[in-house]
Amino acid sequence: EVQLVESGGGLVKPGESLTLSCAASGFTFRSYSMNWVRQAPGKGLEWVSSITSSSTYINYADSVRGRFTISRDNAKNSLYLHMNSLRAEDTAVYYCTREGMESSSDYWGQGTLVTVSS
Amino acid sequence: EIVMTQSPATLSVSPGERGTLSCRASQSVTSNLAWYQQKPGQAPRLLIYGASTRATGIPARFSGSGSGTEFTLTISSLQSEDFAVYYCQQYNNWPLTFGGGTKVEIK
Repeated sequence: EVQLVESGGGLVKPGESLTLSCAASGFTFRSYSMNWVRQAPGKGLEWVSSITSSSTYINYADSVRGRFTISRDNAKNSLYLHMNSLRAEDTAVYYCTREGMESSSDYWGQGTLVTVSS
Repeated sequence: EIVMTQSPATLSVSPGERGTLSCRASQSVTSNLAWYQQKPGQAPRLLIYGASTRATGIPARFSGSGSGTEFTLTISSLQSEDFAVYYCQQYNNWPLTFGGGTKVEIK
């Protein structure tokens, strides 16, 4: 069974940093591209970043480029999102997703909440 | 950036009725479109990819159609478990973008 389990969320102050992790199991992690997608409270979905299976290609939303860094460790079956210079508008549930058929997100984690507030 | 516009924002449907949700792209995304369902407090779930292919385990009452800029998700006979928010997403161009969602509620 495919499982994606995010961790690392919490309450931070504006300007601080946080690193999210996503532990993957039930599939060959090193063979799949992965994504981070976020959802602000009561709002819709926003794609944040994507990374290919061997980290060759990485993309970011304009809203996070230069502040967030996506990475992965295929030996540990883990995906990461390093978030710097956090802002109030980064407050959201962050989901880890697997890029499946035709680049859609076929599996999602349960999400981890990041709250940026003074 | 490709803007995805979903309509209506809220769809009120009686159980057993047909529900039709629309998604429009600001420029062609060919067939690189997915639909997701999200229930309160849960992560989204993939329903449709490639505009019309049902994901694994998705009931046949869900169907997707369209290409280019106009797409439709049809739920042929709404069941109680189908009342949720539905999002479309294009993955034809970076950045990947989602529509604002359609809430399907019980009439």
